[in-house]
Amino acid sequence: GAGVSQSPSNKVTEKGKDVELRCDPISGHTALYWYRQSLGQGLEFLIYFQGNSAPDKSGLPSDRFSAERTGGSVSTLTIQRTQQEDSAVYLCASSLAGTSTETQYFGPGTRLLVL
Amino acid sequence: AQSVTQLDSQVPVFEEAPVELRCNYSSSVSVYLFWYVQYPNQGLQLLLKYLSGSTLVKGINGFEAEFNKSQTSFHLRKPSVHISDTAEYFCAVRVPGANNLFFGTGTRLTVIP
Repeated sequence: GAGVSQSPSNKVTEKGKDVELRCDPISGHTALYWYRQSLGQGLEFLIYFQGNSAPDKSGLPSDRFSAERTGGSVSTLTIQRTQQEDSAVYLCASSLAGTSTETQYFGPGTRLLVL
Repeated sequence: AQSVTQLDSQVPVFEEAPVELRCNYSSSVSVYLFWYVQYPNQGLQLLLKYLSGSTLVKGINGFEAEFNKSQTSFHLRKPSVHISDTAEYFCAVRVPGANNLFFGTGTRLTVIP
């Protein structure tokens, strides 16, 4: 079946502009994760959604970052007033039920460049 | 708090040679351990994971890893690499009950013809 998809694949924006990144998880997966992959930083957790529960936002680096998940499926990560340090690859992952032993399935990522 | 250390940022190896990619972790509680691979311009794909039981875990594409509790290590090995194994490899841990994976900084494996 289809895997996790993300759009756009690449995004170039100017400092100060807002951007929206989209993630379509695997159908039937109730858990959805956002990570950020920066040069030399590895992957950092940003936010986690599980079903109708309140999201775990503990990884969001600032209040310029927000995310929502509508209808328990598609998720949008929004970065307001982008800064150059926001340049990174943003990865979305989903898993069946969010348990600790499950495999997370990753999308190809959105490469964001802030000029 | 937990941390994951991948000691080698880059590992070049000749085709058909063996390879070991090192991963050490630090955690005050037991963790689950994962290895993911990222091919160029693709998302991460699970290679293998250790949850419990036998400390030697076999994964896809001929890779295996051994969990060593006393050394707090989870090194990844392959006896004979192929050109197609050229990729970035990430070690990760997850604390039972926690919501996210915690990743190392990755090791870029380059297989030389």
